[in-house]
Amino acid sequence: GENVEQHPSTLSVQEGDSAVIKCTYSDSASNYFPWYKQELGKRPQLIIDIRSNVGEKKDQRIAVTLNKTAKHFSLHITETQPEDSAVYFCAASWGGADGLTFGKGTHLIIQP
Amino acid sequence: EAQVTQNPRYLITVTGKKLTVTCSQNMNHEYMSWYRQDPGLGLRQIYYSMNVEVTDKGDVPEGYKVSRKEKRNFPLILESPSPNQTSLYFCASSREQGFYEQYFGPGTRLTVT
Repeated sequence: GENVEQHPSTLSVQEGDSAVIKCTYSDSASNYFPWYKQELGKRPQLIIDIRSNVGEKKDQRIAVTLNKTAKHFSLHITETQPEDSAVYFCAASWGGADGLTFGKGTHLIIQP
Repeated sequence: EAQVTQNPRYLITVTGKKLTVTCSQNMNHEYMSWYRQDPGLGLRQIYYSMNVEVTDKGDVPEGYKVSRKEKRNFPLILESPSPNQTSLYFCASSREQGFYEQYFGPGTRLTVT
């Protein structure tokens, strides 16, 4: 089955700087790559996703890039703010019944 | 309001005492899943259901059962809980399998002593 590796496990950045979280996947059939954000004590929520026919997608301060040849995708957050502090999960799916395979998560800490 | 609900939100129980965690969604979603979240291990899928009466094992199904008798409900059953099932559990639903947003419930924190 699919295996998703996520790095780093913890990322600390100064407020206003950029943050990048990287994921690699193993199944070349995967073609859907969402990112979920989980604030402390809350449920995971989708923040952005990308499909394999697109190389990059942006939504205000967040962007996701996909390299299907190398089987990796990344989340970029620019001009980080305190409310960006959370755990971020990447995931991959080939569209089958088993749904999403998640990475282990990255704890993003925004330093004031 | 579109939502996924879970009950109970917190549960402390003893080894071997059967329990059920309920999950309900009001979005008419076909696809529902159960995950467990453990520190350093991320979200791991326990069971999933593509529709009524259609369920299958995820990555970590041992010690769990599910049923899907109605489209809106997907309960998780622990017939004989053990301490290694102490975890944070999330139910999720999506319109269909595949490339659709998963909506998560608020979570159930289970402690088995």
